[in-house]
Amino acid sequence: GQSLEQPSEVTAVEGAIVQINCTYQTSGFYGLSWYQQHDGGAPTFLSYNALDGLEETGRFSSFLSRSDSYGYLLLQELQMKDSASYFCAVRGPSQLTFGSGTQLTVLP
Amino acid sequence: DGGITQSPKYLFRKEGQNVTLSCEQNLNHDAMYWYRQDPGQGLRLIYYSQIVNDFQKGDIAEGYSVSREKKESFPLTVTSAQKNPTAFYLCASSPGLAGVGANVLTFGAGSRLTVL
Repeated sequence: GQSLEQPSEVTAVEGAIVQINCTYQTSGFYGLSWYQQHDGGAPTFLSYNALDGLEETGRFSSFLSRSDSYGYLLLQELQMKDSASYFCAVRGPSQLTFGSGTQLTVLP
Repeated sequence: DGGITQSPKYLFRKEGQNVTLSCEQNLNHDAMYWYRQDPGQGLRLIYYSQIVNDFQKGDIAEGYSVSREKKESFPLTVTSAQKNPTAFYLCASSPGLAGVGANVLTFGAGSRLTVL
């Protein structure tokens, strides 16, 4: 099976940088991805890592270390609209399993 | 625009009733999924399907049933056997179950079911 651990809450101020960590356990690994979900909305895809290293997409970056079963999402130049829940998800042999989510609150 | 349409957005059900949630996609994706989300929790997989007329149980399939008669459609029935059905239900799709595309899910807007 698969399981993931991520912090339940993170708070930061507008313009700052925040890092959301994710550790996982899986019987087979086919990628780590990140999703954003605003209150009451649908999750939307942010980023994906299959290999070790950093992937950058605008203000968002995602990092993966397969040897450590660890990844993180880095959000730069935080904006108020970034307040949302962020989920890491690991792809196993046949399905995508999500973590419990990190609620990010951006303060003015 | 391509996407996933879920209906109804809100649904109220009496105990003992079966309800069916609709999910339609026009993305030409092969794989479709149903997830359940409870307050403050992540998404838990109910069922998924890779091709027409084939589907597999996820982590919490008990009390639910699905069908995949058409590539575009993947309805979910919440049966009276589901003990605690009040939740937010999300349908999703991906190009397939393998490769990069398998990690990029497109979600519908969700259906919120409340049992009275």
